[in-house]
Amino acid sequence: DVVLTQTPPTLLATIGQSVSISCRSSQSLLHSNGNTYLNWLLQRTGQSPQPLIYLVSKLESGVPNRFSGSGSGTDFTLKISGVEAEDLGVYYCMQFTHYPWTFGGGTKLELK
Amino acid sequence: EVQLQESGPGLVKPSQSLSLTCSVTGYSITSNYWGWIRKFPGNKMEWMGYISYSGSTSYNPSLKSRISITRDTSKNQFFLQLNSVTTEDTATYYCARCLAAIWYFDFWGPGTMVTVSS
Repeated sequence: DVVLTQTPPTLLATIGQSVSISCRSSQSLLHSNGNTYLNWLLQRTGQSPQPLIYLVSKLESGVPNRFSGSGSGTDFTLKISGVEAEDLGVYYCMQFTHYPWTFGGGTKLELK
Repeated sequence: EVQLQESGPGLVKPSQSLSLTCSVTGYSITSNYWGWIRKFPGNKMEWMGYISYSGSTSYNPSLKSRISITRDTSKNQFFLQLNSVTTEDTATYYCARCLAAIWYFDFWGPGTMVTVSS
């Protein structure tokens, strides 16, 4: 199975601070069709996960543009440019390139 | 808007079967893919499997001998059955829609907590 390693496991931030989360894959996530099926989700406390970014860098409809995704191959990054209170929760990367689909271990974003 | 809602028993005894229903409104399950995902106590998430628009299925090999996903298109529902459960199957179970070709879960149900305990 593809192992996705997220760092850091916990991220302390102040409101307005820019932060980044890393997701490293044990295998390249470049599909033979040329797409890279790496997504990011946010799970706020008491809620179900919500999609933020798909295909590495495409923003889900309604997601603020302070969120951005980048990367290729095995290294990917989610950046939040100016954390807001509503951004707190657990962030996951997830890959769909290889079966079984797998998740990263999660990064919990908390207020400092 | 697409809405999903999980339902089923919140408590299952070890060695028994866990059965959940996902009811979908606002979209037909005869399009795209429909998956089950679970979150264990802590942060670990696991994709369990999906059923496609045509009724074909794909399962996580870690569960392959115990899992079955079926559907009732007349009710726009799909189902999860997990056999021979143990305490390690205690988790919050989510159903979600997966968009074909783009491949990501764009709509999720609120989740249902299932505890396996005698």
